[in-house]
Amino acid sequence: QKEVEQNSGPLSVPEGAIASLNCTYSDRGSQSFFWYRQYSGKSPELIMFIYSNGDKEDGRFTAQLNKASQYVSLLIRDSQPSDSATYLCAVRDTGGFKTIFGAGTRLFVKA
Amino acid sequence: EAGVAQSPRYKIIEKRQSVAFWCNPISGHATLYWYQQILGQGPKLLIQFQNNGVVDDSQLPKDRFSAERLKGVDSTLKIQPAKLEDSAVYLCASSLVRGIGHYGYTFGSGTRLTVV
Repeated sequence: QKEVEQNSGPLSVPEGAIASLNCTYSDRGSQSFFWYRQYSGKSPELIMFIYSNGDKEDGRFTAQLNKASQYVSLLIRDSQPSDSATYLCAVRDTGGFKTIFGAGTRLFVKA
Repeated sequence: EAGVAQSPRYKIIEKRQSVAFWCNPISGHATLYWYQQILGQGPKLLIQFQNNGVVDDSQLPKDRFSAERLKGVDSTLKIQPAKLEDSAVYLCASSLVRGIGHYGYTFGSGTRLTVV
């Protein structure tokens, strides 16, 4: 059973700090990795995706991949209260047909 | 571009009743997914369509759930009869896939189902 594991949190950081979110995955052959943000009562929204060929930065968000250790991280710089949400990690399996979601990490950014 | 449309937004039914959800994906997105998200959990794939063919329905409880995607566009997910444990948010998503490239999902607003 392929799995994606995340710490459920909550992770609490002060406004302006760096929030670091991690997930581990079991399928060693996975090559596509996604981070979704889900506000309470809303549907998930894609914020970042990376392939196995490298990290990616987009504004305040950076996604990093460590293939050897099979984990993906999301860094949020200059965290804002509006970043408070659940962050879902998703991994595309080796065959490339199925995406498996983690249970999400709840992030609170304190003003 | 218009997003993924879903209806209804909310539904409350009694156990053993039937219910149907509708989804219209983003134009041009050949792949359509139905996910079930139980409170506090990540989305779980129920069924995946590529155009109007089923790619993966391994986690669909086929004794009570059914789905179709006619003409490769709109899709309907049905539950009959519903059980209490079916209470969840049902999310429809579509994606653009080019070759081996996958660009993530766009989710609809979801249907919150409560079975009483």
